Parts: sequence; structure tokens; C-alpha cells
Amino acid sequence: GIQVEQSPPDLILQEGANSTLRCNFSDSVNNLQWFHQNPWGQLINLFYIPSGTKQNGRLSATTVATERYSLLYISSSQTTDSGVYFCAVGNSGAGSYQLTFGKGTKLSVIP
Amino acid sequence: KAGVTQTPRYLIKTRGQQVTLSCSPISGHRSVSWYQQTPGQGLQFLFEYFSETQRNKGNFPGRFSGRQFSNSRSEMNVSTLELGDSALYLCASSLEGPNSPLHFGNGTRLTVT
Repeated sequence: GIQVEQSPPDLILQEGANSTLRCNFSDSVNNLQWFHQNPWGQLINLFYIPSGTKQNGRLSATTVATERYSLLYISSSQTTDSGVYFCAVGNSGAGSYQLTFGKGTKLSVIP
Repeated sequence: KAGVTQTPRYLIKTRGQQVTLSCSPISGHRSVSWYQQTPGQGLQFLFEYFSETQRNKGNFPGRFSGRQFSNSRSEMNVSTLELGDSALYLCASSLEGPNSPLHFGNGTRLTVT
């Protein structure tokens, strides 16, 4: 199956700092999504981004499918950005309707 | 629009018992997926349903089963519970399946003693 690696595994930021999270995957995909899991366990969809670049407020994401990686940018971080960020990929073209998740990047934003 | 609703939020069961978890998707969403989250294994795919048909099943034993009803609501059942089944079970819905944004419920925290 597809392997998903996220880096770094842990990240501590001062409030206001910027960060880049990376997601590498081992095979071609036609589906890539980024999620944020808050400290209460709720998973929020941030981006559906199989290719290209998208922005939503202080967050943006870029996927380069041909090179098998995606980046999530967080600018001017806030304490509410703390939690775990997951990248998930899939390829329905191969008859698979599941997403494979990476192990996540745990972000802690300190005031 | 209401989000994905999972019930119950918390559950404590004893080894050997069985359990049924429920999920109501976002209105209009026809695909429902289930995932298990544990500290050791992370998020793992259980199964995906679309229009009452299971399209994919993850690498879990037959004790794990599910179904989807005509109104897209879904249930998953775990029989003969084991200690290792303790986990957060997450349900997600989407319009057409994994090629559309997935929206998760708050999960059911299952503890097996």
C-alpha cells in the first residue's frame, strides 16, 4: 500500500512564528487531504488538495503530485493552531476508496 | 448544516462483549468511512460504504463489521471485544467518497476492560 511520511514529528513554535509541514508519499495519488486534530480529538478538514496550491486565511498548502509531496504552511501561528496535523492520501483510480494517513506532526504553539 | 454525528461519545465494555457504534453523515453525503485511531497504530481505515454497499475494507479481522442504511446512516459492530480494541473510532462522510473532502465526527471513545 501507499506509505505516507510526515515531518517533522514534533514542532514547538513561539506565537507569531511561521512553519512548514511536509508530507511525502510513496506512490501516485489522486487524492490528498490535510487535517488538524485539536486537543479534544476533533479532526477538521483543512484542505482537499490533490495538486496545486490553495490558501485559507493563515494556512496554505501546495501539492506537487509528480514529485510525491505536499507542504502545509502556517503563518503567524496562534495557540489555537496547536494539535496534530495529518496528511492523508488515496488513489480511487486503483479501486481504493480509503485514505492512508501519516503519523502526523504534533504542533505546540506557546505564547 | 449539521455535521457528522457519532453516538455514543464514550463506551466502556468488557472483554468478550460486542458493541455497536452509530454514525449519521452530513445531509446529502452518500459515502461513510470508519477509522480506528490508537496511539500506537495511528489512524487506520476500517471500511467505506457508498449507497449501502461496502466498497473497501481495511486490514481488520472479521470481528469488525459495518453496514449502511438507505438514509446513509451507518453502524459498525465489533464482536468478541479484545483489550486491543480500545481506541477512538471515527466516522467520516463525504459527497462521493475519498475524492471529495472528508468530514469527521467527534468519534466514539471505546474502552475495553
